[in-house]
Amino acid sequence: DADVTQTPRNRITKTGKRIMLECSQTKGHDRMYWYRQDPGLGLRLIYYSFDVKDINKGEISDGYSVSRQAQAKFSLSLESAIPNQTALYFCATSERDRDDTGELFFGEGSRLTVL
Amino acid sequence: GQNIDQPTEMTATEGAIVQINCTYQTSGFNGLFWYQQHAGEAPTFLSYNVLDGLEEKGRFSSFLSRSKGYSYLLLKELQMKDSASYLCAVLDSNYQLIWGAGTKLIIKP
Repeated sequence: DADVTQTPRNRITKTGKRIMLECSQTKGHDRMYWYRQDPGLGLRLIYYSFDVKDINKGEISDGYSVSRQAQAKFSLSLESAIPNQTALYFCATSERDRDDTGELFFGEGSRLTVL
Repeated sequence: GQNIDQPTEMTATEGAIVQINCTYQTSGFNGLFWYQQHAGEAPTFLSYNVLDGLEEKGRFSSFLSRSKGYSYLLLKELQMKDSASYLCAVLDSNYQLIWGAGTKLIIKP
């Protein structure tokens, strides 16, 4: 089983619908992240959390919200999906290290299509 | 603004050597990462450089020159399974990762 699991892996929805992408991890890491990936663009950070009580906006948080339900779970919600939120979404984790330079461990990705 | 540049696509031959370049302009520098991403899959960590010089790890090596804002990933003895996108990312002064768009590497027999 994967250490970082995302559900659903694929989702097609309509404009205006509420969507939740879920992420769970068994790595025991404190830090969790949500990224989106679009063709021709680098990964862009949506939200990140360094522990259960810590939530931070990333580069492109507008239109998204998150919930850190437990150390192992971090969910991303699109309250009212729009077509330009069609993308591949990745959850990632990292371990806090002394220099704040821990590598990221990614989930398999959730492909979201908004019609 | 912050910027990471890498070629969009490269083609190489099985068994050969290929060098993928990455140049960056960021607000501060706390290290540079290379990740590999096969089509439709998650990125996986390849290397991390924070000091100038070459880091070797099997068939893969990564080089960094902080004064030039430049890094490269060197892949030797190319195999078909090396066909993937290679992502360069820089950790800026706020410890935020800035990602390049990735270089798609095509390996031909």
